[in-house]
Amino acid sequence: AQSVTQLGSHVSVSEGALVLLRCNYSSSVPPYLFWYVQYPNQGLQLLLKYTTGATLVKGINGFEAEFKKSETSFHLTKPSAHMSDAAEYFCAVSPGSGNTGKLIFGQGTTLQVKP
Amino acid sequence: ETGVTQTPRHLVMGMTNKKSLKCEQHLGHNAMYWYKQSAKKPLELMFVYNFKEQTENNSVPSRFSPECPNSSHLFLHLHTLQPEDSALYLCASSQVGREETQYFGPGTRLLVL
Repeated sequence: AQSVTQLGSHVSVSEGALVLLRCNYSSSVPPYLFWYVQYPNQGLQLLLKYTTGATLVKGINGFEAEFKKSETSFHLTKPSAHMSDAAEYFCAVSPGSGNTGKLIFGQGTTLQVKP
Repeated sequence: ETGVTQTPRHLVMGMTNKKSLKCEQHLGHNAMYWYKQSAKKPLELMFVYNFKEQTENNSVPSRFSPECPNSSHLFLHLHTLQPEDSALYLCASSQVGREETQYFGPGTRLLVL
């Protein structure tokens, strides 16, 4: 069975500070990993994903994440927070190749950016 | 239209009403999904359709009835709902077997009175 744990339901940073949102997963097969962002009253938008290959993945809006198999982690980072980054962020895992299409989502982390 | 669209965006209904949510994907995908997102709860997968066939029903009450007439359209028929069914209902689509990314619509905000 697969699962996703996002550490910290709320994260607050100052504008210009480093953003670090933590995600740990469990999977019995090589996973595909995703980060989505949700702005108020909107659907989920894909930020970035890891399938195979390079473990450091770059996404939209200056975000990146690194797949660390030994730590079963896929933490999301951004060097400098912007006010527009305030949103809810979801980490998700799927069982990779042979996937039936099902994604397992974490509980979400709300990012607050203070001026 | 591009991506995944959902109508209506907002819906208020009484417990005795019957209404339907509509989702349409313009991405040529072969799988569609319904999710429920309630305040302070994780995203809940409700139904999965692959090639118009329902492949997953996560113990969803029968007052929610999905319909997938073709691979581009997905409906969620609602009847005799409860106030606790108030939530954001999200539709998503993906290309199973090739690119696994799910693409989401903007959601329908449902309020049951």
